[in-house]
Amino acid sequence: GEKVEQHESTLSVREGDSAVINCTYTDTASSYFPWYKQEAGKSLHFVIDIRSNVDRKQSQRLIVLLDKKAKRFSLHITATQPEDSAIYFCAAGGSNAKLTFGKGTKLSVKS
Amino acid sequence: DMKVTQMPRYLIKRMGENVLLECGQDMSHETMYWYRQDPGLGLQLIYISYDVDSNSEGDIPKGYRVSRKKREHFSLILDSAKTNQTSVYFCASSHDWGSYEQYFGPGTRLTVL
Repeated sequence: GEKVEQHESTLSVREGDSAVINCTYTDTASSYFPWYKQEAGKSLHFVIDIRSNVDRKQSQRLIVLLDKKAKRFSLHITATQPEDSAIYFCAAGGSNAKLTFGKGTKLSVKS
Repeated sequence: DMKVTQMPRYLIKRMGENVLLECGQDMSHETMYWYRQDPGLGLQLIYISYDVDSNSEGDIPKGYRVSRKKREHFSLILDSAKTNQTSVYFCASSHDWGSYEQYFGPGTRLTVL
């Protein structure tokens, strides 16, 4: 089955800097790559996604890049703010509505 | 207001007791999920339900079973709970099997002593 590796378990940046979280996946059939955010003690909520028919997507300060050849995708958070501090999960999905999640990256934004 | 609810939010049980975790959604979503989250392991899919009485095993179904008799409700059952089932359990839903965006409930923290 699909395996998703999230490369950074922790990441610390200064407020205003950019943060980059990288993930790789194994199944070439995966076509959907969402990112979820989990704030301390709370549930997960969707932040942004990308499908395999594009290689870049931006939503305000969030940019997702997809390199299908390398089976790699990444989340870029620009101009970070303290409220961006959270655990971010990448995931990969195919045709059966199942998502395989990475283990999460704890992002700390220091002011 | 789109919402996934979970009951109870916290539960303490003894080893060997039965456990029932309930999940509801008010969005008429076809697909529902149960995950468990353990520190350092991310989310692991236990079961997925594509609609009423249409359930499929996820990656770690052993020791769990599910029930979905109404579209808006999805239950997770632990028959004879084990201490290694101590975890935080999340329910999620998505519009249909082709829609990947999942809406998560607040989670249930289960402790099995």
